[in-house]
Parts: sequence; C-alpha cells; structure tokens
Amino acid sequence: EDKVVQSPLSLVVHEGDTVTLNCSYEVTNFRSLLWYKQEKKAPTFLFMLTSSGIEKKSGRLSSILDKKELFSILNITATQTGDSAIYLCAVQLSHSNYQLIWGAGTKLIIKP
Amino acid sequence: NAGVTQTPKFQVLKTGQSMTLQCAQDMNHNSMYWYRQDPGMGLRLIYYSASEGTTDKGEVPNGYNVSRLNKREFSLRLESAAPSQTSVYFCASSSYTDTQYFGPGTRLTVL
Repeated sequence: EDKVVQSPLSLVVHEGDTVTLNCSYEVTNFRSLLWYKQEKKAPTFLFMLTSSGIEKKSGRLSSILDKKELFSILNITATQTGDSAIYLCAVQLSHSNYQLIWGAGTKLIIKP
Repeated sequence: NAGVTQTPKFQVLKTGQSMTLQCAQDMNHNSMYWYRQDPGMGLRLIYYSASEGTTDKGEVPNGYNVSRLNKREFSLRLESAAPSQTSVYFCASSSYTDTQYFGPGTRLTVL
C-alpha cells in the first residue's frame, strides 16, 4: 500500500528559530514529491521535487529530496509568525492518472 | 482568472438530506479532484476525473457520486448525508503531471 508519513505531527517554536519538517514515503511508482502550505483555507503549492539532491529554494524556505532513502525535508529559516500553518507533503504517482498520495501534515506554530 | 471556485462555502444538513457541491476551474485543466479533509488525517481523495467524460473512485468514495459536466465543472453529490460526512471538502484541478490547484473549500456539517 502506498503511504506518505510526515513528522513531527506538530511543532511549536519561537520566532527566529529554524525548523526542519520531514516526509518519508513508500510508493510503487514515484514520479515527484510536492510540498504545500495550508493556512486557514486551501493548500497552496510550495515546491515540486523530482530529482535527488537538488535543493529547491524560495526565500527562507528550501526543500530537498533523497530518492535512495525515500524522504524529503522542508527547511524554514528565521521563522516568522506568518509561517504558522499546516505543511502538507504529497507524492505524485507515475500511474493512476498521476494521483497524489498525501501525508497527514505537520502543524507548525511560531510563537512571537 | 478566478482559478478554482467552489460553492457553497458552508452548509449544514440533517441526516438523510441530499446536496450537491459545485466546483469550476478556468485554467483549462484536464484533471479535477474532490478531497475531504478531517483533523489529523490529511487530504483523502473521494473521486477524480482525469479528463472530460471520465470519473474514477479514489480512496473514500462510499456515499458520494460525481459528475464531470464539462471540462470546467466537476460536482460532488451526497445522496443521503450522514454525520460521518461532516468534513471540509476541497476541489482541485491540474494539467496531468502539473501540481494541483485547490479551491477555497466547503465546510459541511451533518447533524
């Protein structure tokens, strides 16, 4: 059975800290891994990763994929209260019409 | 360019009532999806439509039906609502291998 596991499930840090969120997966036909941020409403896209070892970066957020060990990490440096959200990881399959298999998410709370 | 739109935003139903959730996208995407999101469980796929004229079951299809009305619109119907269907429902669309774009969600409560 295809599955995606995120850890930790929740995390509370102070503004300015650096956080690392984890996503591990076991799927039969991997195509890509995606990270989304969900605040009060709909998930919004952050990164799509398809190749191992190549870091994707956007401002204070960065992510990398390890296809050998089957995991990805999402790093946020110099956190701000606006980073408080649920961070979702999903794996896109190369069959089944490119469906996404979702993790349960990591709830991140940034305290001022 | 509105992206993905959903109606209604909120709905309260009594057990046994029926309703249809509407979704439309203006990005010319081929694929559309319906998810439900419950606390601590992430997003679970109910049904999807890979292209106009096709629909397929996802992880949790029981109690739901869908219609891909045309390329833009994909509706989700609850024929006889149950309290277990209390959830937040998201519609999403994508262009095959591209990322999925989400609508704002519908918060449904079944009493």
